[in-house]
Amino acid sequence: EAGVVQSPRYKIIEKKQPVAFWCNPISGHNTLYWYRQNLGQGPELLIRYENEEAVDDSQLPKDRFSAERLKGVDSTLKIQPAELGDSAVYLCASSPGLGVLNEQFFGPGTRLTVL
Amino acid sequence: GQQLNQSPQSMFIQEGEDVSMNCTSSSIFNTWLWYKQDPGEGPVLLIALYKAGELTSNGRLTAQFGITRKDSFLNISASIPSDVGIYFCAVRMYSGGGADGLTFGKGTHLIIQP
Repeated sequence: EAGVVQSPRYKIIEKKQPVAFWCNPISGHNTLYWYRQNLGQGPELLIRYENEEAVDDSQLPKDRFSAERLKGVDSTLKIQPAELGDSAVYLCASSPGLGVLNEQFFGPGTRLTVL
Repeated sequence: GQQLNQSPQSMFIQEGEDVSMNCTSSSIFNTWLWYKQDPGEGPVLLIALYKAGELTSNGRLTAQFGITRKDSFLNISASIPSDVGIYFCAVRMYSGGGADGLTFGKGTHLIIQP
């Protein structure tokens, strides 16, 4: 079974430029998460989707960050414009859906460097 | 947000030694999880704990969910070179409205000296 796929794996941009990350979750997984991991830290949740609905986006900096999951499958996270402090690894995870035994599987992440 | 205190921050051990790390919180959680992250990869789930007092093993790994539901520990027996990596504890409050996002500790960086 294929895991969570993310692209690109690495991205280097200059500040004020836009950037987008793409995630394809494990087939059949209804719940999709975006996390940000700063250097030396654990991942921090940005947004959670149940199918195509964003059910928790309280930690998403909405002035410059946006996300979508139009058909309830793959998802895109966008930053516009990027700032130096946005340099981090952006991780996507998915889980089957409702239920206690409902663990998250992570993709390899996209490492963003903002110059 | 919630804070998880994970210790130690890093460990330098010899191959074959046993390893112990722990994670504490000031709040109660229903689920404690332990993940391992290798360089350039996402975290991989090692052990999930769902009941206070639960002790669970996965090969050379053993983890326990504290009776107060505010802590957990992870032990690794007879460490081998592939155990090198960063170990994260994580918690989730299952709200019934779906699988909430996880809160992670800052990680324990395990380094094995030959």
